[in-house]
Amino acid sequence: GAVVSQHPSRVICKSGTSVKIECRSLDFQATTMFWYRQFPKQSLMLMATSNEGSKATYEQGVEKDKFLINHASLTLSTLTVTSAHPEDSSFYICSASRDINTEAFFGQGTRLTVV
Amino acid sequence: AQSVTQLGSHVSVSEGALVLLRCNYSSSVPPYLFWYVQYPNQGLQLLLKYTSAATLVKGINGFEAEFKKSETSFHLTKPSAHMSDAAEYFCAVDNTDKLIFGTGTRLQVFP
Repeated sequence: GAVVSQHPSRVICKSGTSVKIECRSLDFQATTMFWYRQFPKQSLMLMATSNEGSKATYEQGVEKDKFLINHASLTLSTLTVTSAHPEDSSFYICSASRDINTEAFFGQGTRLTVV
Repeated sequence: AQSVTQLGSHVSVSEGALVLLRCNYSSSVPPYLFWYVQYPNQGLQLLLKYTSAATLVKGINGFEAEFKKSETSFHLTKPSAHMSDAAEYFCAVDNTDKLIFGTGTRLQVFP
């Protein structure tokens, strides 16, 4: 099956710093990747959709300048949380699909804690 | 817009008992529906999906779901719960190429 790997699985950072989360498709080329945020005991909220080589499409209410998404290659997308604050602490999950109409495979998630 | 509603944020069953997790959808077009499972501090794993073929869909780990258009439902069932089934379960609908998730149901299995 298709494997999507996220790194790191856990990260703690100081308030005001930036942190980068990587999402890699290990055995397939992903033209589309999705980034989700999950608050404790809640559902996944789609933050943005990224297509390789183009700008990400952000969902309403998501600050694109705060959550920078880069999808520079067919196997790697990154989410950078800039100037992180404690309220950004959350579980971030990515998913990747070969193209927009095919099944998306999920990474194992990254737990971000901002102190 | 398409959406899903999961009834019951928590479901508790005894080991060996029937598992029934409820999901109702809202869609103006024939939907693609999914069930995912999430174990603590992990991503999501696809259990099964409905893509307008057979209305009864069999998935992994003994789970299955039946698409009922008349009831706008896509409930997830398993005849006999196992301790390892304890997890969070999410129903989702494909809304113009992005997944919209329900609020999730936490399944507890007691010995």
